[in-house]
Amino acid sequence: DAGVIQSPRHEVTEMGQEVTLRCKPISGHNSLFWYRQTMMRGLELLIYFNNNVPIDDSGMPEDRFSAKMPNASFSTLKIQPSEPRDSAVYFCASSLDYYNEQFFGPGTRLTVL
Amino acid sequence: KQEVTQIPAALSVPEGENLVLNCSFTDSAIYNLQWFRQDPGKGLTSLLLIQSSQREQTSGRLNASLDKSSGRSTLYIAASQPGDSATYLCAALNAGGTSYGKLTFGQGTILTVHP
Repeated sequence: DAGVIQSPRHEVTEMGQEVTLRCKPISGHNSLFWYRQTMMRGLELLIYFNNNVPIDDSGMPEDRFSAKMPNASFSTLKIQPSEPRDSAVYFCASSLDYYNEQFFGPGTRLTVL
Repeated sequence: KQEVTQIPAALSVPEGENLVLNCSFTDSAIYNLQWFRQDPGKGLTSLLLIQSSQREQTSGRLNASLDKSSGRSTLYIAASQPGDSATYLCAALNAGGTSYGKLTFGQGTILTVHP
């Protein structure tokens, strides 16, 4: 298996623009997680899905952030409008189920100017 | 709310030394505890996962222990090598409370092994 796939790997955008991050989980995994990593706050869980259903989105910082999982092999994290404080590395992870070992993608480094 | 703390924040050792990284967590209601490695600018690589019912796990030169009652885990690295230089993160998968089903990370230990 190719592991968790994320795109793009790097994204530079201007404040106010819409940003969409994409994730393809490992085939057969039922749970998918979105994390954000910054120097100040470390790794934080934003939202996780189980069987394509959002289970906990309490980590989503504001209404500007939204996530979808239309099917078992694809998820998006959207920021609209983006702000400079959203600059971070965003990781997607998947696991067989939410209580199993999590496998991380390579991350998307987002810079909002 | 679960809180995970890692000590030390940074560690520099000569090649060949055995070393211990420490992780503590405040809520013992966990499914498992996972240790990760992160290289600069890269994603996280899972090293070891210890289920809540287990005491330790071993993989090659790595050994992780778990004492759930005291809220502690340690990662032991034997005969360290320069290639072990990275940030090591521990994370507790919560089984109760408001953190249910969530992986809570520590801030990491930055390890440097010099030749």
